[in-house]
Amino acid sequence: AQSVTQLGSHVSVSEGALVLLRCNYSSSVPPYLFWYVQYPNQGLQLLLKYTTGATLVKGINGFEAEFKKSETSFHLTKPSAHMSDAAEYFCAVSGITGGGNKLTFGTGTQLKVEL
Amino acid sequence: NAGVTQTPKFQVLKTGQSMTLQCAQDMNHEYMSWYRQDPGMGLRLIHYSVGAGITDQGEVPNGYNVSRSTTEDFPLRLLSAAPSQTSVYFCASSQPGLGVYEQFFGPGTRLTVL
Repeated sequence: AQSVTQLGSHVSVSEGALVLLRCNYSSSVPPYLFWYVQYPNQGLQLLLKYTTGATLVKGINGFEAEFKKSETSFHLTKPSAHMSDAAEYFCAVSGITGGGNKLTFGTGTQLKVEL
Repeated sequence: NAGVTQTPKFQVLKTGQSMTLQCAQDMNHEYMSWYRQDPGMGLRLIHYSVGAGITDQGEVPNGYNVSRSTTEDFPLRLLSAAPSQTSVYFCASSQPGLGVYEQFFGPGTRLTVL
């Protein structure tokens, strides 16, 4: 069984400030972890993913996330927020067994970027 | 290369009506999935397929049917629509062995059931 918890359904930051979106997971098997972004009225776009190997993962648009097994976390960060980062962000987990298309999503975090 | 396409973009149904949401992909992916997105609940898996002729239930399958007769297409059928099925529906595809099951999503179908 797998689950994802995203703390904070809404996060607001100033332009240029650090972005930190929190994600904790639960998985009975070694997890694959993903962050997706959804802009208004659009589908989901993959930001980054963790499979194996390096625990610090870099993605598109300057985002990165660190897999911490001991904390069961996969928080998303960006050093300096831009207005174009305003969107909804979803963390997801997939087990390496049982079919890789069975993603379990968190409930999402709406990021607002203010001037 | 159109990726994952979904039709229609918007649909309004009355309770009890039936309809089919279409999904097609041109990437020759083996895996395809249907999710529904509801406010505050993220995306939840409805049904998925690991290849033509093979389908299985996800987390919220009740009220929905699927079939997979070709690699390209994976339609989702609502047999008797209910207001609880008002949602945004996303289709996704992926190919095992490429990028560790990275899923590619369609643009979504926004369904309202009155």
